[in-house]
Amino acid sequence: NAGVMQNPRHLVRRRGQEARLRCSPMKGHSHVYWYRQLPEEGLKFMVYLQKENIIDESGMPKERFSAEFPKEGPSILRIQQVVRGDSAAYFCASSTRQGGTGELFFGEGSRLTVL
Amino acid sequence: QKEVEQNSGPLSVPEGAIASLNCTYSDRGSQSFFWYRQYSGKSPELIMFIYSNGDKEDGRFTAQLNKASQYVSLLIRDSQPSDSATYLCAAGNSGGSNYKLTFGKGTLLTVNP
Repeated sequence: NAGVMQNPRHLVRRRGQEARLRCSPMKGHSHVYWYRQLPEEGLKFMVYLQKENIIDESGMPKERFSAEFPKEGPSILRIQQVVRGDSAAYFCASSTRQGGTGELFFGEGSRLTVL
Repeated sequence: QKEVEQNSGPLSVPEGAIASLNCTYSDRGSQSFFWYRQYSGKSPELIMFIYSNGDKEDGRFTAQLNKASQYVSLLIRDSQPSDSATYLCAAGNSGGSNYKLTFGKGTLLTVNP
């Protein structure tokens, strides 16, 4: 049973470019969460999605960031016009139901470097 | 600002010893607490969760919660070199939503053979 799959694992972008990070949840999981880990910081919640719905985006920056979880295909975190401060590890997690008993299963992360 | 504080370490213990990892949290309304283990470059992996005051044991791991002191700890008995990792403490949202976790920065544990 494959775990949460994220790709790319590493992404390098120049300032002003777009970054797209993909996440396929574990089989049978319909809840997806994105977290960001800035250098020397803890993981910070960004957004919670179910299929075709954004449930909670209270942790998302107001501009340039968007997320979706379409009916078919992976969840995508999109960062437009990237800046150096966006350099971080972006982790996706999934669960069978809302938060479960805290059993968020995390992927190995996508590490974004902005030059 | 809700915060979870951990000593960044590194915490170094000899093989077979007890490793004690500590965590404090600021949101008195938090009801659920989690310990994740993260090997370098890998995904955080849930080890334990605890909701009630007191101790909760699972194999070599014991989580302890003291809500009055806003303190959570993880004890690892008979530490093994394979336990060497970063341990992340997290608190659930006071609204009861366990998906919006507040994480500490993690404590790096090294178990020396």
